[in-house]
Amino acid sequence: AQSVTQPDIHITVSEGASLELRCNYSYGATPYLFWYVQSPGQGLQLLLKYFSGDTLVQGIKGFEAEFKRSQSSFNLRKPSVHWSDAAEYFCAVGPGGGNKLTFGTGTQLKVEL
Amino acid sequence: DAGITQSPRYKITETGRQVTLMCHQTWSHSYMFWYRQDLGHGLRLIYYSAAADITDKGEVPDGYVVSRSKTENFPLTLESATRSQTSVYFCASSELTNTDTQYFGPGTRLTVL
Repeated sequence: AQSVTQPDIHITVSEGASLELRCNYSYGATPYLFWYVQSPGQGLQLLLKYFSGDTLVQGIKGFEAEFKRSQSSFNLRKPSVHWSDAAEYFCAVGPGGGNKLTFGTGTQLKVEL
Repeated sequence: DAGITQSPRYKITETGRQVTLMCHQTWSHSYMFWYRQDLGHGLRLIYYSAAADITDKGEVPDGYVVSRSKTENFPLTLESATRSQTSVYFCASSELTNTDTQYFGPGTRLTVL
């Protein structure tokens, strides 16, 4: 069965500092990997996704993620965090049957000014 | 305005009552999904639908019923609400292929007293 682990429940960074959010997955074949962001009181918005090809994926809002098959990881990075990046971030893996995605438990990002 | 909408946004009900959460999308996406979000669990899939009149169980379907008579609507019914169903519920939709992004609604916060 597919699964996703986000080891960090909470992360605090200073504005302007770099960010890396960890995501490890378990999947039987080549996975499709996603990062979503959820601002307070909002639904989830797609940041980026990986299906195949270049293992470094660029997304919206200056985020990028790197697929590392050998480490079963898909970590999210941003070189310089802005206060508006404070949100909860979810990693997801698929596809399961019926286009299902399996989500991680999320990482809450706090940005200190 | 096009997109995916959920109603109501907030609902308080009592144990044993029937509650229906509505989800409507204007894109004619084939797939629709219902998730619940709980602290420490991330998003868990309740039910999903590949097309009108085709539904299937997700990870946590007990106590819930869905139907999909029209492509654009995917209501979720709690037949006899329990306190453990207090949660935030998200509806999502995606197009036909399994590489497509899931687009999320704004969520419904349900409290069962």
